[in-house]
Amino acid sequence: EVQLVESGGGLIQPGGSLRLSCAASGFTVSSNYMSWVRQAPGKGLEWVSVIYSGGSTYYADSVKGRFTISRDNSKNTLYLQMNSLRAEDTAVYYCARAAVSRAFDPWGQGTLVTVSS
Amino acid sequence: QSALTQPRSVSGSPGQSVTISCTGTSSDVGGYNYVSWYQQHPGKAPKLMIYDVSKRPSGVPDRFSGSKSGNTASLTISGLQAEDEADYYCCSYAGSYTFWVFGGGTKLTVL
Repeated sequence: EVQLVESGGGLIQPGGSLRLSCAASGFTVSSNYMSWVRQAPGKGLEWVSVIYSGGSTYYADSVKGRFTISRDNSKNTLYLQMNSLRAEDTAVYYCARAAVSRAFDPWGQGTLVTVSS
Repeated sequence: QSALTQPRSVSGSPGQSVTISCTGTSSDVGGYNYVSWYQQHPGKAPKLMIYDVSKRPSGVPDRFSGSKSGNTASLTISGLQAEDEADYYCCSYAGSYTFWVFGGGTKLTVL
C-alpha cells in the first residue's frame, strides 16, 4: 500500500526551528517528485516546496531562504527543515507525491505546526 | 488571496448535479493541462479526485468529471450523494517559477 506518514510538528516560538519528517512506504521517494503543502487553520491549501527525483529543489516565495527540503534515500523519508519560523507559518503541513501529471497523490495525514510565544 | 478563484460555496440536493469553477490565467490553468481537483473532508487530508483536467484516478466514482475552457477549469459532480459534502480545491501547475497554485476552496453542501 502506498502511504505517507508525517511527524515532527509541534509548538515552537517565533524565530525557532523545526524539522518535519515524512516516511514513505509502497514506493521509492527518490524516484518521485515529492512536495510539501500546507494549510493554515481555516484556510486553503498552499504549495510550499518540491524536490525532484534528480535532486533539484524549489520553494514558494513565502518560505524561500528559510525552509529546506531534503530526503534520505536509505530511510525512504522526506524532510522539511524550517528555520526562522513566523506566526504566519502556523499550519498543518502535508507531504505528498507529485506525480508525472503534476497532481498530488497520495497525501500524508498532516502534522500541525504552531508558531506562537 | 489565492492564485485561482473558486466560489466560496455551492449546494445541491441529493441526485442533482453541481459544477465548481476555477478561474486562473494563461500562466497556469490556461497554459497547462495539469489541472487537478481535491476533496477534503473536515479534519482529513485532501484526496485527489481529478488530474490532467479530466482524468479520474482508480476508485473515484464516474460521477466526478472535469473540464477546462480557456483559463477556467470546472469540476462537475452528478448524482450528488451525502458523502460528497466536503471542501473542494482546484490546483494548477504554473511552470518552473511558480510551480503550483491552488484555489481558495469551495464548500459543497448537500441539502
